[in-house]
Amino acid sequence: ETGVTQSPTHLIKTRGQQVTLRCSSQSGHNTVSWYQQALGQGPQFIFQYYREEENGRGNFPPRFSGLQFPNYSSELNVNALELDDSALYLCASSLGGAQSYEQYFGPGTRLTVT
Amino acid sequence: DAKTTQPNSMESNEEEPVHLPCNHSTISGTDYIHWYRQLPSQGPEYVIHGLTSNVNNRMASLAIAEDRKSSTLILHRATLRDAAVYYCILRLGTSYGKLTFGQGTILTVHP
Repeated sequence: ETGVTQSPTHLIKTRGQQVTLRCSSQSGHNTVSWYQQALGQGPQFIFQYYREEENGRGNFPPRFSGLQFPNYSSELNVNALELDDSALYLCASSLGGAQSYEQYFGPGTRLTVT
Repeated sequence: DAKTTQPNSMESNEEEPVHLPCNHSTISGTDYIHWYRQLPSQGPEYVIHGLTSNVNNRMASLAIAEDRKSSTLILHRATLRDAAVYYCILRLGTSYGKLTFGQGTILTVHP
């Protein structure tokens, strides 16, 4: 059974640029959630996708957007990068949408905005 | 979301039990109590969850107060590998998958 994988591991971008982060969910999981974790803080929920539809969103601006593909992998896109977007971005997969109790997290992508 | 309160940090010695407390006085009847932990340089890892009754699994035990306003995560024999940030999270049973993480408790395990 393959766990949750994320790419790239690290990324450096310049303010104003756009970035795409990728996540492959655990085998058989149809739900993907994205979180942002600033240094020294707990992860903050960005949004969740269930069967290719966004079905929940946290307090993040529209320049944070996502996609989920038919194989349940997912992308997080961030436009017009700001310095405060520097963080660890975590992807978590689970099964069954609202009935899922366990979320399985990937190792994260470390984004640095300069 | 209902809020949880945890100590900022705790320390333990290897092979001793560890009791990590969590207060959630505003918990609602449909909130599940979840615990996740995050080891250094890794994503969070599910530990255990419960609603009303105490729960045991291979990683830990969860003791839930009768009024559900507090809970305790119990690691029966701490190892160095248990050094992590432990998060106590309330999650509405019928909600989508959003987990609201607080600051968590930093657990240090001494050899």
